[in-house]
Amino acid sequence: KNEVEQSPQNLTAQEGEFITINCSYSVGISALHWLQQHPGGGIVSLFMLSSGKKKHGRLIATINIQEKHSSLHITASHPRDSAVYICAVRMDSNYQLIWGAGTKLIIKP
Amino acid sequence: NAGVTQTPKFRILKIGQSMTLQCAQDMNHNYMYWYRQDPGMGLKLIYYSVGAGITDKGEVPNGYNVSRSTTEDFPLRLELAAPSQTSVYFCASSKSGRGEKLFFGSGTQLSVL
Repeated sequence: KNEVEQSPQNLTAQEGEFITINCSYSVGISALHWLQQHPGGGIVSLFMLSSGKKKHGRLIATINIQEKHSSLHITASHPRDSAVYICAVRMDSNYQLIWGAGTKLIIKP
Repeated sequence: NAGVTQTPKFRILKIGQSMTLQCAQDMNHNYMYWYRQDPGMGLKLIYYSVGAGITDKGEVPNGYNVSRSTTEDFPLRLELAAPSQTSVYFCASSKSGRGEKLFFGSGTQLSVL
Protein backbone atom coordinates (compact mmCIF):
# COMPACT_ATOMS: atom_id res chain seq x y z
CA LYS A 1 0.00 0.00 0.00
CA ASN A 2 1.33 3.44 -0.93
CA GLU A 3 1.89 5.80 1.97
CA VAL A 4 0.20 8.62 0.04
CA GLU A 5 -2.93 7.87 -1.93
CA GLN A 6 -4.72 10.34 -4.17
CA SER A 7 -8.23 10.06 -5.56
CA PRO A 8 -9.49 10.15 -8.14
CA GLN A 9 -6.61 9.31 -10.49
CA ASN A 10 -8.41 11.04 -13.34
CA LEU A 11 -11.18 13.62 -13.29
CA THR A 12 -12.98 15.25 -16.19
CA ALA A 13 -15.47 18.02 -15.48
CA GLN A 14 -17.28 20.86 -17.21
CA GLU A 15 -16.20 24.45 -16.86
CA GLY A 16 -17.74 26.03 -13.78
CA GLU A 17 -18.00 22.84 -11.74
CA PHE A 18 -16.75 22.56 -8.15
CA ILE A 19 -13.78 20.19 -8.05
CA THR A 20 -12.52 18.11 -5.13
CA ILE A 21 -9.30 16.11 -5.14
CA ASN A 22 -8.46 13.95 -2.14
CA CYS A 23 -5.21 12.88 -0.51
CA SER A 24 -4.91 10.27 2.25
CA TYR A 25 -1.71 9.31 3.98
CA SER A 26 -0.68 6.68 6.48
CA VAL A 27 2.37 8.19 8.19
CA GLY A 28 2.87 10.90 10.77
CA ILE A 29 3.53 14.17 9.01
CA SER A 30 4.77 17.64 9.78
CA ALA A 31 3.34 19.23 6.62
CA LEU A 32 1.43 18.46 3.45
CA HIS A 33 2.04 20.09 0.08
CA TRP A 34 -0.28 20.50 -2.87
CA LEU A 35 1.42 21.13 -6.21
CA GLN A 36 0.28 21.62 -9.78
CA GLN A 37 2.01 20.14 -12.82
CA HIS A 38 1.01 21.67 -16.14
CA PRO A 39 0.91 19.74 -19.42
CA GLY A 40 4.27 21.28 -20.30
CA GLY A 41 5.71 19.52 -17.26
CA GLY A 42 6.54 22.42 -14.94
CA ILE A 43 5.69 21.92 -11.25
CA VAL A 44 4.40 24.77 -9.10
CA SER A 45 3.79 24.71 -5.38
CA LEU A 46 0.20 25.69 -4.52
CA PHE A 47 -0.11 25.20 -0.77
CA MET A 48 1.73 23.94 2.24
CA LEU A 49 -0.48 22.94 5.18
CA SER A 50 0.13 21.66 8.66
CA SER A 51 -3.40 22.27 9.96
CA GLY A 52 -6.74 23.81 9.05
CA LYS A 53 -7.44 25.47 5.76
CA LYS A 54 -5.78 27.76 3.23
CA LYS A 55 -7.30 29.71 0.36
CA HIS A 56 -5.72 31.32 -2.68
CA GLY A 57 -8.06 32.70 -5.31
CA ARG A 58 -10.35 29.87 -6.43
CA LEU A 59 -8.26 27.20 -4.73
CA ILE A 60 -8.93 25.95 -1.21
CA ALA A 61 -6.90 23.33 0.63
CA THR A 62 -7.94 21.64 3.86
CA ILE A 63 -6.29 19.11 6.10
CA ASN A 64 -7.58 16.87 8.91
CA ILE A 65 -4.56 15.64 10.83
CA GLN A 66 -6.55 13.17 12.97
CA GLU A 67 -8.08 11.52 9.90
CA LYS A 68 -4.83 11.76 7.89
CA HIS A 69 -6.67 13.34 4.99
CA SER A 70 -6.44 16.48 2.89
CA SER A 71 -8.60 17.89 0.11
CA LEU A 72 -7.94 20.39 -2.64
CA HIS A 73 -10.99 22.23 -3.93
CA ILE A 74 -11.32 24.35 -7.04
CA THR A 75 -14.34 26.64 -7.29
CA ALA A 76 -15.72 27.86 -10.64
CA SER A 77 -13.32 25.60 -12.54
CA HIS A 78 -11.84 26.80 -15.81
CA PRO A 79 -10.08 24.99 -18.67
CA ARG A 80 -6.80 26.61 -17.60
CA ASP A 81 -7.08 24.59 -14.35
CA SER A 82 -6.43 21.46 -16.41
CA ALA A 83 -3.29 19.94 -14.95
CA VAL A 84 -2.01 17.16 -12.73
CA TYR A 85 -2.44 17.95 -9.03
CA ILE A 86 0.03 16.30 -6.73
CA CYS A 87 -0.08 15.78 -2.98
CA ALA A 88 3.16 15.28 -1.03
CA VAL A 89 3.69 14.80 2.69
CA ARG A 90 6.70 15.67 4.77
CA MET A 91 7.25 13.01 7.37
CA ASP A 92 7.60 13.79 11.06
CA SER A 93 10.88 11.92 11.23
CA ASN A 94 12.88 13.64 8.49
CA TYR A 95 12.63 16.29 5.83
CA GLN A 96 12.06 14.04 2.89
CA LEU A 97 8.79 14.15 1.00
CA ILE A 98 6.59 11.22 0.07
CA TRP A 99 4.72 11.89 -3.14
CA GLY A 100 1.31 10.85 -4.39
CA ALA A 101 0.98 9.71 -7.99
CA GLY A 102 -1.14 12.72 -8.91
CA THR A 103 -4.68 13.43 -10.10
CA LYS A 104 -5.08 14.36 -13.75
CA LEU A 105 -7.78 17.02 -14.06
CA ILE A 106 -9.37 18.02 -17.37
CA ILE A 107 -11.84 20.88 -17.44
CA LYS A 108 -13.89 21.02 -20.63
CA PRO A 109 -15.26 24.35 -21.90
CA ASN B 1 15.24 36.13 -9.83
CA ALA B 2 15.42 33.28 -12.33
CA GLY B 3 14.41 30.77 -9.64
CA VAL B 4 15.61 27.24 -10.39
CA THR B 5 17.30 26.82 -13.76
CA GLN B 6 17.68 23.30 -15.09
CA THR B 7 19.44 22.21 -18.28
CA PRO B 8 19.13 20.56 -20.72
CA LYS B 9 15.37 20.23 -21.36
CA PHE B 10 15.75 17.11 -23.50
CA ARG B 11 18.51 14.60 -24.04
CA ILE B 12 18.91 11.24 -25.72
CA LEU B 13 21.74 9.03 -24.53
CA LYS B 14 23.06 5.73 -25.74
CA ILE B 15 23.48 2.91 -23.23
CA GLY B 16 26.77 3.33 -21.38
CA GLN B 17 27.16 7.05 -22.06
CA SER B 18 27.49 9.57 -19.25
CA MET B 19 26.09 13.03 -18.79
CA THR B 20 25.54 15.77 -16.23
CA LEU B 21 22.23 17.48 -15.61
CA GLN B 22 22.78 21.03 -14.44
CA CYS B 23 20.75 22.77 -11.75
CA ALA B 24 21.24 26.27 -10.38
CA GLN B 25 19.14 28.44 -8.07
CA ASP B 26 19.53 32.12 -7.27
CA MET B 27 17.32 32.29 -4.18
CA ASN B 28 20.08 31.45 -1.67
CA HIS B 29 18.27 28.25 -0.74
CA ASN B 30 20.08 25.80 1.48
CA TYR B 31 18.19 22.68 0.45
CA MET B 32 18.33 21.26 -3.05
CA TYR B 33 16.86 18.03 -4.41
CA TRP B 34 16.93 15.83 -7.47
CA TYR B 35 13.81 13.84 -8.32
CA ARG B 36 12.86 11.52 -11.12
CA GLN B 37 9.32 11.10 -12.36
CA ASP B 38 8.31 7.93 -14.17
CA PRO B 39 4.97 7.78 -16.03
CA GLY B 40 2.02 7.35 -13.67
CA MET B 41 4.25 7.36 -10.59
CA GLY B 42 4.98 9.84 -7.85
CA LEU B 43 8.28 11.67 -7.78
CA LYS B 44 11.17 9.69 -6.37
CA LEU B 45 14.02 11.39 -4.54
CA ILE B 46 17.43 10.60 -6.00
CA TYR B 47 19.76 12.79 -3.93
CA TYR B 48 19.45 15.86 -1.78
CA SER B 49 21.71 18.45 -0.22
CA VAL B 50 21.24 20.55 2.90
CA GLY B 51 24.04 22.96 2.07
CA ALA B 52 27.29 23.40 0.20
CA GLY B 53 29.54 20.38 0.68
CA ILE B 54 26.78 18.19 2.12
CA THR B 55 24.87 15.63 0.09
CA ASP B 56 22.92 12.49 0.92
CA LYS B 57 21.14 9.68 -0.84
CA GLY B 58 17.41 9.58 -1.38
CA GLU B 59 15.22 6.62 -2.30
CA VAL B 60 16.75 5.78 -5.69
CA PRO B 61 20.43 6.87 -5.79
CA ASN B 62 21.93 3.95 -7.72
CA GLY B 63 23.51 4.99 -11.01
CA TYR B 64 23.72 8.66 -10.04
CA ASN B 65 26.16 10.98 -8.33
CA VAL B 66 25.92 14.56 -7.12
CA SER B 67 28.11 17.31 -5.80
CA ARG B 68 27.38 20.62 -4.10
CA SER B 69 30.45 22.82 -4.23
CA THR B 70 28.43 26.06 -4.00
CA THR B 71 25.07 27.05 -2.56
CA GLU B 72 23.79 27.82 -6.05
CA ASP B 73 24.69 24.70 -8.03
CA PHE B 74 23.67 21.07 -7.63
CA PRO B 75 24.59 18.99 -10.71
CA LEU B 76 23.42 15.39 -11.15
CA ARG B 77 25.81 12.99 -12.88
CA LEU B 78 24.65 9.86 -14.67
CA GLU B 79 27.41 7.34 -15.16
CA LEU B 80 27.00 4.44 -17.60
CA ALA B 81 23.45 5.30 -18.61
CA ALA B 82 20.91 2.45 -18.65
CA PRO B 83 17.41 2.23 -20.16
CA SER B 84 16.00 2.16 -16.61
CA GLN B 85 17.17 5.76 -16.24
CA THR B 86 14.79 6.94 -18.93
CA SER B 87 12.65 9.38 -17.01
CA VAL B 88 11.87 13.03 -16.42
CA TYR B 89 14.24 14.63 -13.93
CA PHE B 90 13.39 17.58 -11.74
CA CYS B 91 15.64 19.70 -9.62
CA ALA B 92 14.04 21.56 -6.71
CA SER B 93 15.10 23.83 -3.89
CA SER B 94 13.76 25.18 -0.61
CA LYS B 95 14.99 27.61 2.00
CA SER B 96 15.04 24.94 4.70
CA GLY B 97 14.04 21.30 5.00
CA ARG B 98 10.91 21.67 7.09
CA GLY B 99 7.76 23.55 6.33
CA GLU B 100 9.09 25.44 3.36
CA LYS B 101 7.68 25.93 -0.11
CA LEU B 102 9.44 24.02 -2.88
CA PHE B 103 10.61 25.61 -6.10
CA PHE B 104 11.11 23.42 -9.16
CA GLY B 105 13.13 23.59 -12.31
CA SER B 106 11.38 22.98 -15.64
CA GLY B 107 12.53 19.37 -15.91
CA THR B 108 14.78 17.31 -18.17
CA GLN B 109 13.29 14.58 -20.32
CA LEU B 110 15.98 11.92 -20.69
CA SER B 111 15.80 8.89 -22.93
CA VAL B 112 18.41 6.15 -22.82
CA LEU B 113 18.34 3.96 -25.91
